[in-house]
This record gives sequence, structure tokens and C-alpha cells, in this order.
Amino acid sequence: AQSVTQLGSHVSVSEGALVLLRCNYSSSVPPYLFWYVQYPNQGLQLLLKYTSAATLVKGINGFEAEFKKSETSFHLTKPSAHMSDAAEYFCAVSWEAAGNKLTFGGGTRVLVKP
Amino acid sequence: DAGVTQSPTHLIKTRGQQVTLRCSPKSGHDTVSWYQQALGQGPQFIFQYYEEEERQRGNFPDRFSGHQFPNYSSELNVNALLLGDSALYLCASSEPSGRAKIADTQYFGPGTRLTVL
Repeated sequence: AQSVTQLGSHVSVSEGALVLLRCNYSSSVPPYLFWYVQYPNQGLQLLLKYTSAATLVKGINGFEAEFKKSETSFHLTKPSAHMSDAAEYFCAVSWEAAGNKLTFGGGTRVLVKP
Repeated sequence: DAGVTQSPTHLIKTRGQQVTLRCSPKSGHDTVSWYQQALGQGPQFIFQYYEEEERQRGNFPDRFSGHQFPNYSSELNVNALLLGDSALYLCASSEPSGRAKIADTQYFGPGTRLTVL
């Protein structure tokens, strides 16, 4: 069965440091991949998505992610963390056979230390 | 341009009761999906509505049902509430496509927090 795994339920980074959030998927067919951010008491906001064009995808707020088929990964990075990046981040996938329903990972909560 | 809106914001029910949650999609969107997000977990797909019909369904019991109206707004109904139904219920809408494109972006509302006592 297709699935999504986010390594690390909590990540703590210092302000100005690199943010790296890991996402791996399990699928026998090419997926479409998404990263969403959720701020406290809010819904989900799309950061970026991969749809089989360029493997390096740039999103909003300085985030980017790279699709690596050989590693079945879609890790999210930001070179320099800002206090406003403190939130929960979700990786999600959709597959052709599943229509456009999203399957989400368990989420990674990011804490930014001053 | 209003985004996806949901009502109510919070709701408290007791076991065995029934609840109805409402969603208005982003302007111009015709497809509505519902997700359940339990505390500390990622959202799980419940079902999706397009042209007033349920197009896809996740692994949820028949106690969960929905409806889509001609103006594309949608309702999620849950009967015989269980304690385990306590969660944030998220509605998402996506752009008109005739047939759902796999990479369509889904835009999420703020959610309805349901507490079952």
C-alpha cells in the first residue's frame, strides 16, 4: 500500500540555521508530492508541490524541496530559519489511481529558538 | 476573494448524538473534500464531492455521510458520535476541472474542532 513517512515528529532549530524536514513515500507508481504548513488553530496552507516537472521545487516563504526518485524522498529545506517558521509541516502525496485525494504523513512540528 | 470557510468553529457533542458541519468552497471551485485530523496526527481523507455526488471515499464508516449543494457548498454529517470522532475536521476545495486532475491544489479551510464527551 502507498504511504508517506515523515521522520521526526519534532524538530528544533536555532533562528538563522538550516531547516531540514524529511519525507519519504512508498509507491510503485510516480506520485505527486506536496508540503503543507499548519499554524496553530488554522487550516493547512500549501508551501509547494511537485508534479513531475523540475525535481527541485521552490515554494513560498523561502522553502524548497527536491524530489529524488532513487531515494523515494521529498525533503523540505529552508536555508535560514525565522521565528515565524514555527509551525507543523505535513508532507502529502497523491497518486493517479487515487484521484486527487491526499495521503498525509504524520507531521513534523518545528520549534525555532532565538 | 474569500477562501474556504467552515462553520461552526468549535462544537461540543455527547456520545450518540449527530452533528452537521458546513463548508463553503473558495470562489470558483467546484470540488470539495473532507478530512479528519485527530490530535497529533496528519489529516485523513474522508470523502470528496463533485457535481453533488460522492466521487471518492476513504476508510470511514457509513456513520460519516455528506452532501454537496448546487452552489458547491458541502455538509459533513456524523451519526452516533463516538469519543474517537473528536478531531479537527478540515474542508478543502479545488479548481474546476471537469475530471479531477491529480495535481490540483487543494485549498483548506480553518477547520471545525469537534469534541465528543
